[in-house]
Amino acid sequence: GENVEQHPSTLSVQEGDSAVIKCTYSDSASNYFPWYKQELGKGPQLIIDIRSNVGEKKDQRIAVTLNKTAKHFSLHITETQPEDSAVYFCAARSGTYKYIFGTGTRLKVLA
Amino acid sequence: DAGVIQSPRHEVTEMGQEVTLRCKPISGHNSLFWYRQTMMRGLELLIYFNNNVPIDDSGMPEDRFSAKMPNASFSTLKIQPSEPRDSAVYFCASSQRHGDSPLHFGNGTRLTVT
Repeated sequence: GENVEQHPSTLSVQEGDSAVIKCTYSDSASNYFPWYKQELGKGPQLIIDIRSNVGEKKDQRIAVTLNKTAKHFSLHITETQPEDSAVYFCAARSGTYKYIFGTGTRLKVLA
Repeated sequence: DAGVIQSPRHEVTEMGQEVTLRCKPISGHNSLFWYRQTMMRGLELLIYFNNNVPIDDSGMPEDRFSAKMPNASFSTLKIQPSEPRDSAVYFCASSQRHGDSPLHFGNGTRLTVT
């Protein structure tokens, strides 16, 4: 079946450094790729998304890139801050409702 | 915007008891999803409603699980009888079906079955 692989599973960076999380999807029909941030005791919160007709999108310190040919997409966080510490999930959507989520990356930003 | 509201936040129950989880989606959203999150399996879609109608319930693990959406502003997920392996965090999410509307998640219900 369809799946999304996410790496790394854990990531520690020094405050101010950049963090990169990578995902690979299997379903070539996937057309929408959101990223979620989940803090302890809360639900996943959308932080950025990208559609299949776009290669890159940026929102302040966060950017996402998509390589449809390779079926790769990545999250880039620059100038990391302690409040960026959380679990990040990528997802790929096929059709209008079938989301496949990655297994999550626990990001720790060290002050 | 109050977001997706779930209740209760925590539920502890004994094996064999009935459990009902509740969800109020964001007003105007016509798609509703129930997900289960565990360490072993991550986020799994249990059921998807569109305009209050169940469209895909292929993720519902067993007949012990049932979900309803009697109106656009309320949904329930029921487990009867509950088992220890049902222990997980259950999330409700909603979205607008048209366009590329993203999923908006509630803060979940942490269920513990002893």
